[in-house]
Amino acid sequence: AQTVTQSQPEMSVQEAETVTLSCTYDTSESNYYLFWYKQPPSRQMILVIRQEAYKQQNATENRFSVNFQKAAKSFSLKISDSQLGDTAMYFCAFIPMNRDDKIIFGKGTRLHILP
Amino acid sequence: GAGVSQTPSNKVTEKGKYVELRCDPISGHTALYWYRQSLGQGPEFLIYFQGTGAADDSGLPNDRFFAVRPEGSVSTLKIQRTERGDSAVYLCASSKRGTSGAEQFFGPGTRLTVL
Repeated sequence: AQTVTQSQPEMSVQEAETVTLSCTYDTSESNYYLFWYKQPPSRQMILVIRQEAYKQQNATENRFSVNFQKAAKSFSLKISDSQLGDTAMYFCAFIPMNRDDKIIFGKGTRLHILP
Repeated sequence: GAGVSQTPSNKVTEKGKYVELRCDPISGHTALYWYRQSLGQGPEFLIYFQGTGAADDSGLPNDRFFAVRPEGSVSTLKIQRTERGDSAVYLCASSKRGTSGAEQFFGPGTRLTVL
């Protein structure tokens, strides 16, 4: 079975600081995608960043970057220069490659950015 | 439309009633997904359509839940004899078939409350 685990239910950080959200996953697939989704109070699930498992280089999107450790099955998200608008639930997620299939989500980390 | 839309935004019903939740995917997206998000949890897969047919309905919790997509566009999730445990946010997503690792675009969800 494929699982995604987020061990931090809730985190708080001061505005402009850097924060890292943790995620581990378990799968027997060799090729897959990993995602971080953001869900603000509006409920809209927004894709923050995506990582292809076959790529060794860590994905980056502006202030967002990941630390992908395939052997350890770890996929953490780093948010630099955090902003008040980053306050949201963050979900780590997994999907096998080359399949239109269900996304497996973690339980989420609620992130509060404090002014 | 520009994005995935879902109606209604909120639905309150009484135990035992029948409800229908509608999803209008992005034009041209042949794949459509339904997820259920219980309070404090990540979304969980319910059913996936490729065109008009349900390609994977393994996530439907029981036979009270049913979904259709008769013309390969709009989808309706139907819940019979609702129970209090059905209360959740129901999310719909769509993606473009044939693109490896195609991004799933989510709608804002329908919050269902069963009294």
